[in-house]
Formats: sequence, structure tokens, C-alpha cells
Amino acid sequence: DQQVKQNSPSLSVQEGRISILNCDYTNSMFDYFLWYKKYPAEGPTFLISISSIKDKNEDGRFTVFLNKSAKHLSLHIVPSQPGDSAVYFCAAKPGGGNKLTFGTGTQLKVEL
Amino acid sequence: GAGVSQSPSNKVTEKGKDVELRCDPISGHTALYWYRQSLGQGLEFLIYFQGNSAPDKSGLPSDRFSAERTGGSVSTLTIQRTQQEDSAVYLCASSLAGWEETQYFGPGTRLLVL
Repeated sequence: DQQVKQNSPSLSVQEGRISILNCDYTNSMFDYFLWYKKYPAEGPTFLISISSIKDKNEDGRFTVFLNKSAKHLSLHIVPSQPGDSAVYFCAAKPGGGNKLTFGTGTQLKVEL
Repeated sequence: GAGVSQSPSNKVTEKGKDVELRCDPISGHTALYWYRQSLGQGLEFLIYFQGNSAPDKSGLPSDRFSAERTGGSVSTLTIQRTQQEDSAVYLCASSLAGWEETQYFGPGTRLLVL
């Protein structure tokens, strides 16, 4: 049972345009959400997070949006840069918990 | 070191053999996690250590898997009698405390069971 789903395995975007990566979850106990970025042969690195008490968190070019009623979150990257090309994982954890449940990842390719 | 380190980076073994994977967390981090990523899958939680508390082993897929954390620092994940389905990237992460949201990952160990 996949509790965190990333339905798009890949996404291709032109440099300078917006990248939108989507994530859906099914467990209503999740209350903290994170995005990790992973380059080949490296471990995932933390990118941005959002608590369920918010619906938006922004950090530079990266913004995460949370729609609790739809159990959906998205990561927006504006403007997209070639160095953003990586696999992006959505993750979630329940309140008071520490185990992260990850999605299967979306491979983003930013083309020149 | 500055980050989480794991060894070996790659491991090829024969079915039925035992393997040990090592993780050195960030100095001062009291929480340590093991995950694995099988081909085409997300990261799957395996086990979690927090200080001197009993580890949370709820993610271990079978009794062939075990892990230890010595002295609250280095951890070893052991897989006994390896099977081909154990082939995956095994990732270790650490954080300042169990409730700390940000987990810092190592580069992983790529295990291939022939």
C-alpha cells in the first residue's frame, strides 16, 4: 500500500520555466511533509518542508504548497535551472513520529 | 567528517552469503535511520535508533535483517543468507534528535545479490 504517491516518474522542463512536481498521500495522520532531492550516486538531500498548519512555504526558487483536503502537495521551482535536474522525492511523517514515508520519486530534467 | 558516510559504496555477493553494511553518522547526531531503495521504488524505512532507547525495528522485512549501533555512533546493518530480492541501495541517515525533521543521508551502499 503506497501511502505517498508520485504519479509522474519523469518531468522535462525548459530552463527558466516553472517546474511543478506533484505528490499525493493517503494517510490522514501525516502532518509534516518534506521534499528531498537526489543526484545519481549520492544520498537524498533535504530541500524544503511544510507543516500541516501551513498551506505554503517558500525558500528562494522553491515553494511547497499543501492542500490538506485533497491530500496533495506540490513543489514549484521557479525559474528552473539545469542544476535542478535530479530525482525529487516527496516524504511525509505523522505527528509525533519520526519515520518518513517516501514516494517513488520524479526524475526532473531541465533542458537548455 | 562533515556528512554521513557509508561503506562499502558497492557490494556484490552471492545468494546465501551474509553481508555487513556500515554507517557513520554526523557527529553529535543521536538519531540514526536505515532505509533501502529497491529498483523503481521509494525509500523504504527499515530501522531507527534514538540514543539509548530500544530501536524501532518495525520496518525490517524479515529476521534475516538486523542492525546494531555501538556507542551511540556507528551502525552496522547485517543481512544474513542474502536473497536476490535484497538487491537494493541501502541508505543511512542521521538527525540531531528523533523529532528533528531533517534527516541527513549518506551516499548509500549498492548491494547486488547474484
